[in-house]
Amino acid sequence: DVQMTQSPSTLSASVGDRVTITCRASQNINIWLAWYQQKPGKAPKILIYEASNLKSGVPSRFSGSGSGTEFTLTISSLQPDDFATYYCQQYVYDWTFGQGTRVEIK
Amino acid sequence: EVQLAESGGGLVQPGGSLRLSCVASGFTFSDYWMHWVRQVPGEGPVWVSRINGEGVTAYADSVKGRFTISRDNSKNTLFLQMNGLSAEDTAMYYCARDPAAGHTNGYYDYWGQGILVTVSS
Repeated sequence: DVQMTQSPSTLSASVGDRVTITCRASQNINIWLAWYQQKPGKAPKILIYEASNLKSGVPSRFSGSGSGTEFTLTISSLQPDDFATYYCQQYVYDWTFGQGTRVEIK
Repeated sequence: EVQLAESGGGLVQPGGSLRLSCVASGFTFSDYWMHWVRQVPGEGPVWVSRINGEGVTAYADSVKGRFTISRDNSKNTLFLQMNGLSAEDTAMYYCARDPAAGHTNGYYDYWGQGILVTVSS
C-alpha cells in the first residue's frame, strides 16, 4: 500500500499569510496526486489534480507542485474562507489519502 | 447541476447488514466510475470500493468479501451492500464521482453529503 504523510498536522496562520502544506508518498506516484479542502460537516472539495492543475472555479491563490514522492499545496494569501482541513490523495495505486492538515486561525 | 445523495445509513448491531444507496442526477450516470469513500471523524478519508460503468468492481482489503458495490444505471443509483459489520466500519460514508466520462482520472470531482453508519450493540 502507498502511504501518504502530510505535514504539519496543524498549522496556525493569519489572514494574508502564505501557507505551505507538504505531502509525501511512500513510493513514486509520478504526478497522480490531488488536494482537497474539507470544512466541518461537509464533504471534501477538490482543489488540485495531477499535482499542479487547478480545478475550474478554485481561486488562483491555491497552487500545487511536486512529483514523484514529495508534493506541496500553497495558499499564497490566506483568506477567512480557507480555514479548513486539507487532504492529499494519491490515485495511481488504488486510492489513498493523507491524514490531513488543519489550518486554524492564529 | 451534478448531485449525489446517499441514504440507508443508521445504527446496526455488530454482525449486521446495511445497504447504502446513492442517487445521482445532473449527468449521464452510466458513463462514470463511481466510488464509496468512508471517513471517521477527525481522520482522513479512506477508499472503500469502486465500480466502472460496465460493472467491474474493486475493493479495499478491509472490506473485501463483506461489502458489495453495484449500480443500476437505469435508476441512476449506486449501492453498497455491507455485511458482517463491525465497530471498525463505523464512519461517514460518501459516494463520489470520478470526473472522466468513459474511463478514469482517479480523483473525485463530486461527493455526496455523506451518510452515517454506526455499528454498536
